Amino acid sequence: NAGVMQNPRHLVRRRGQEARLRCSPMKGHSHVYWYRQLPEEGLKFMVYLQKENIIDESGMPKERFSAEFPKEGPSILRIQQVVRGDSAAYFCASSPFEGEEKLFFGSGTQLSVL
Amino acid sequence: DAKTTQPPSMDCAEGRAANLPCNHSTISGNEYVYWYRQIHSQGPQYIIHGLKNNETNEMASLIITEDRKSSTLILPHATLRDTAVYYCIVRVAGTGGGNKLTFGTGTQLKVEL
Repeated sequence: NAGVMQNPRHLVRRRGQEARLRCSPMKGHSHVYWYRQLPEEGLKFMVYLQKENIIDESGMPKERFSAEFPKEGPSILRIQQVVRGDSAAYFCASSPFEGEEKLFFGSGTQLSVL
Repeated sequence: DAKTTQPPSMDCAEGRAANLPCNHSTISGNEYVYWYRQIHSQGPQYIIHGLKNNETNEMASLIITEDRKSSTLILPHATLRDTAVYYCIVRVAGTGGGNKLTFGTGTQLKVEL
């Protein structure tokens, strides 16, 4: 059973471009969480999604950031018009249902904005 | 979710037990204590969790004080691969908010020869 898969592992973008980060949860998991880790800082919650629904986006910046988890395919975290301050590691986690104690994390996408 | 306090760093000799403390003096009766760790540049990894009773699994033991205001994660025989940041997180499980975790700054454990 493959773990949480994130791609790309590293992503380089120039200021103003768009970044798309993908997350395929573990098989059978329908709950996805995105976290961001800025350099030398802790992990910060961004958004919690279930299939086709955003449940909690309290940690998402109000502009330029969006997330989706369609009925088919991976969850996507999209950052429009990236700025240098968006450079960070973005981690995705999944769980099979609400109430499950564990979150399973992917290896992350390191976004670098030039 | 209750706030936790952990020492910023600890050292441990390889082969010895690593005891990582966590204070959560404002914990509520229905809040669990979770431990995760993050090895450099990797995603966090679940270690163990508990409510009241002490817990043990293949990775570690969790000792929760009787008043539940603090806990200790024990790695019985630390190895170099246990060098990581260890996060103690307190939260209520399954209450409609999903399994959102609030990470603090954790404890940087360095295991040395």
